[in-house]
Amino acid sequence: DAGVIQSPRHEVTEMGQEVTLRCKPISGHDYLFWYRQTMMRGLELLIYFNNNVPIDDSGMPEDRFSAKMPNASFSTLKIQPSEPRDSAVYFCASSWDGRYSPLHFGNGTRLTVT
Amino acid sequence: AQTVTQSQPEMSVQEAETVTLSCTYDTSENNYYLFWYKQPPSRQMILVIRQEAYKQQNATENRFSVNFQKAAKSFSLKISDSQLGDTAMYFCAFMKHANFGNEKLTFGTGTRLTIIP
Repeated sequence: DAGVIQSPRHEVTEMGQEVTLRCKPISGHDYLFWYRQTMMRGLELLIYFNNNVPIDDSGMPEDRFSAKMPNASFSTLKIQPSEPRDSAVYFCASSWDGRYSPLHFGNGTRLTVT
Repeated sequence: AQTVTQSQPEMSVQEAETVTLSCTYDTSENNYYLFWYKQPPSRQMILVIRQEAYKQQNATENRFSVNFQKAAKSFSLKISDSQLGDTAMYFCAFMKHANFGNEKLTFGTGTRLTIIP
């Protein structure tokens, strides 16, 4: 199993540009999570999906952020327009049963907005 | 809301020694799960160990063990015979039990552990 795959690993963009982060969860996992990690706020849950349906998006900071999961093997997190304060590491994670099984994290995308 | 506190931002220990990382949490829930995740310089988050709150026996995974004190809301991680590969950020995390669906993981701020050769 290749694990959770995120792309790109690094992204540098200018303020105002659109950014799209991608995630491929582990096959068979029903839950997919997007986390953001910053020095100031640590790890924050942005949104999670169950069977491709968004369940809780209360962590999404602003309307500039949106996430989709068109099928069981792909999810995107989009920021439009991006701002310098969005600079962080964004993690995608998946699990087959979020209650009992551990989260499997991807390697994260380090986003820098200048 | 649940909170997770890790009061040790950084720790260092000599290789082969034992180190204990502390974690406390605040919750009104009775059923929940606790986790320790490791984040090495590669950045990937890796599950180290987990504990179900209804189990009195402390979880162990090889050199890693926990001291779970439910009444005190404490969940410390002990690493025995520490190795250079244990150098990483360690995060304590809390998840409340859900009858339906899933609950979110709440993470502490992390402890940066350095193993000194």
